[in-house]
Amino acid sequence: QSALTQPASVSGSPGQSITISCTGTSSDVGGYNHVSWYQQHPGKAPKLMIYDVTNRPSGVSNRFSGSKSGNTASLTISGLQAEDEADYYCSSYTSSITLDVFGTGTKVTVL
Amino acid sequence: QITLKESGPTLVKPTQTLTLTCTFSGFSLSTSGVGVGWIRQPPGKALECLALIYWNDDKHYSPSLKSRLTITKDTSKNQVVLTMTNMDPVDTATYYCAHRGVTIFGVVSYYFDYWGQGTLVTVSS
Repeated sequence: QSALTQPASVSGSPGQSITISCTGTSSDVGGYNHVSWYQQHPGKAPKLMIYDVTNRPSGVSNRFSGSKSGNTASLTISGLQAEDEADYYCSSYTSSITLDVFGTGTKVTVL
Repeated sequence: QITLKESGPTLVKPTQTLTLTCTFSGFSLSTSGVGVGWIRQPPGKALECLALIYWNDDKHYSPSLKSRLTITKDTSKNQVVLTMTNMDPVDTATYYCAHRGVTIFGVVSYYFDYWGQGTLVTVSS
């Protein structure tokens, strides 16, 4: 099972919006509405930001939103803030292994 | 409040067996739909899901590592144990355990909502 494909890096200025893509196949991202996104600051554990494509856990800022089209899911961060600088990973259920498959990870830099 | 904490050796030699324990609180692994997973992250690299165990003892393994992994639970102790045999330097990573809960509709979820702090395991002679 191959990892989901994400851009290595995305950057933006404070206040701007950025979007991170996550591309899979019809066996994972495209086939199920079980895409989640995690934020990871250096030296810290991942934190769940989005689950089931569009849902935000309690306590997560509404500046974070998720969507999906075909085999590609996306995470949008609006009103970019310095604290958003981190690594972001997507994840999806996959029927091929009945286990989560993670993305390659994207480093978000706030300019 | 759900918390998880990983414990185990920080250094193992090549070919040895690694045993990691996840001790958790705030939930029960006997509750329908609940699961605990193990995820690892080599230094500077991406996350990789290794194994997952559910309340009903249903177990799932990464196909590439299945022959080397065993996941078990001890509900009375609130612990999940992962063993990985024949360790190699490429297995050097931070190993996390994480909670998988139940959705508002009462069915199994497909995300990890609570994570342990992680434990760095180095494989070296």
